Amino acid sequence: GNSVTQMEGPVTLSEEAFLTINCTYTATGYPSLFWYVQYPGEGLQLLLKATKADDKGSNKGFEATYRKETTSFHLEKGSVQVSDSAVYFCALREIKAAGNKLTFGGGTRVLVKP
Amino acid sequence: DTEVTQTPKHLVMGMTNKKSLKCEQHMGHRAMYWYKQKAKKPPELMFVYSYEKLSINESVPSRFSPECPNSSLLNLHLHALQPEDSALYLCASSQLLVAGRNTIYFGEGSWLTVV
Repeated sequence: GNSVTQMEGPVTLSEEAFLTINCTYTATGYPSLFWYVQYPGEGLQLLLKATKADDKGSNKGFEATYRKETTSFHLEKGSVQVSDSAVYFCALREIKAAGNKLTFGGGTRVLVKP
Repeated sequence: DTEVTQTPKHLVMGMTNKKSLKCEQHMGHRAMYWYKQKAKKPPELMFVYSYEKLSINESVPSRFSPECPNSSLLNLHLHALQPEDSALYLCASSQLLVAGRNTIYFGEGSWLTVV
């Protein structure tokens, strides 16, 4: 079956530091890949996505590139802010007629200190 | 607009109560989902409705009863819950089988506490 593995947190950084969260996946076929972010006390927000190999998703200064050869989709941001403190989930999606199914990684908690 | 609206935001209920969680979307999506999320864990899929019909039930106990009155609304009826059912319940929606438009969008969630 499909699976997603992401680095365990918490990751603690100072403001303006560089952030990388590793994500690797196992899947049959060619899934689409996503990063969702969950701020404290809130639901999940789509951060970025990539639907095919070598696609780069980007949003709010975050980037991730779909690397088929290494089955990875690592999330990066060059200069984090306190407001980026959240839990980040990597996910892959299977498209089915019965409904799209997301497989999530375990989540990585990021804490940015001033 | 990528908004999925859930009510109530917080709910406290006793083990003998009957309550409902509600979800609404106006994006024209034909798939709607219920997820359950426990603290410090990723969301777990509970149910999927496809074209207003239940298409996936991930072996959820019958004390959770989903309902899809129309293509914009999704309910989750709760009855005789246990304290371990306390969690964040997330509703989501997506298009179905539309190339490039199958992203799943989540609501803010309903925080449920069973006492």
